[in-house]
Amino acid sequence: ETGVTQSPTHLIKTRGQQVTLRCSSQSGHNTVSWYQQALGQGPQFIFQYYREEENGRGNFPPRFSGLQFPNYSSELNVNALELDDSALYLCASSLEQGASRGGYTFGSGTRLTVV
Amino acid sequence: GQQVMQIPQYQHVQEGEDFTTYCNSSTTLSNIQWYKQRPGGHPVFLIQLVKSGEVKKQKRLTFQFGEAKKNSSLHITATQTTDVGTYFCAGPRANNLFFGTGTRLTVIP
Repeated sequence: ETGVTQSPTHLIKTRGQQVTLRCSSQSGHNTVSWYQQALGQGPQFIFQYYREEENGRGNFPPRFSGLQFPNYSSELNVNALELDDSALYLCASSLEQGASRGGYTFGSGTRLTVV
Repeated sequence: GQQVMQIPQYQHVQEGEDFTTYCNSSTTLSNIQWYKQRPGGHPVFLIQLVKSGEVKKQKRLTFQFGEAKKNSSLHITATQTTDVGTYFCAGPRANNLFFGTGTRLTVIP
């Protein structure tokens, strides 16, 4: 049990569809970061949310968007799904914005398959 | 842009042998973090190193941060089958944590 909960655990979508992934951060953590991990690769940073605002973004197109709610939970939305979007999507919560103190607590991830 | 490379990419060892993975950054890092990801699992935070030349130990694991704060290493003494997984180093970049390419460790019983 990591304290970070992601849903759903697995998802199969068709190319062109839209998907929403959800994340509940660990208690006391106010920052949520989302990562995409393709098979055999390291996690790639998508974006970070702090106090309900986007606080940094990686090299992902605008069809990747997100939200953070007052209770610090977060959503990742992907529009116009492409086959290459198939990956493990990881949510990580942390005590503060950035990555300077402490470590990230990752959820178990959502395995997205686009067919 | 900033790159964090790890070597080797893969390592197979007999149980009981030692293992080392090396992490090299193209830029100076304010800190370096290490994570372990078991097969089919998610990354789990192991440790953070902040000071130049810092060495930290966790049981059979020894972590080191280079003097120039651009490289780091993780050494496991007498590997066990429970050590199997991919080890990632990660460094901060702006407001995100930038992960290395990882070293996948296989331990042969």
